[in-house]
Amino acid sequence: DAMVIQNPRYQVTQFGKPVTLSCSQTLNHNVMYWYQQKSSQAPKLLFHYYDKDFNNEADTPDNFQSRRPNTSFCFLDIRSPGLGDAAMYLCATSRVRTGSYEQYFGPGTRLTVT
Amino acid sequence: GDSVTQMEGPVTLSEEAFLTINCTYTATGYPSLFWYVQYPGEGLQLLLKATKADDKGSNKGFEATYRKETTSFHLEKGSVQVSDSAVYFCALSVPSGAGSYQLTFGKGTKLSVIP
Repeated sequence: DAMVIQNPRYQVTQFGKPVTLSCSQTLNHNVMYWYQQKSSQAPKLLFHYYDKDFNNEADTPDNFQSRRPNTSFCFLDIRSPGLGDAAMYLCATSRVRTGSYEQYFGPGTRLTVT
Repeated sequence: GDSVTQMEGPVTLSEEAFLTINCTYTATGYPSLFWYVQYPGEGLQLLLKATKADDKGSNKGFEATYRKETTSFHLEKGSVQVSDSAVYFCALSVPSGAGSYQLTFGKGTKLSVIP
């Protein structure tokens, strides 16, 4: 089945130690998104790639970076994680075409910062 | 700006009860509307969608109708099951200006169904 895959499902990192989360998709969608979701809150969009074009949300901290080396993969890099960055990180994809705007989400990576 | 307001939770129902979760929206332009469901520890799954006025989205016994005149997209199910226990998010999608579409979510409504 075509899907969005996130690895790892659970990640523990130390305060200030860089960490990378990965997302891959077999849907061949041209847009990939990264969301941060804290407990009991709605997902918050950090940034997205439309093909190779990177689009950052205005309030996304500089501590968060992203890379998309090809259509299938997208990475979220947190350069110096703080305790406030502990959250679920969700990757999503969509295919921009007329009448089809829904996003397909991966299972998420739960990040713990110690 | 665009926004989605959905009823506060948590909502607790007995099995086989009728479910309504209210959702209203504010948007410039003509959004598409979605309901997503999130089971504990999981990502979001698309439950149903509607892309134009009077469209009815349906899936797994859940339904929602796009009401442009009342800017609403209320989620309903006639008979809930324990397995429906999850958090439900109402969302709208509008063009982002960067060529793609962005989702604006409501705050989510936690549903617990007890046997």
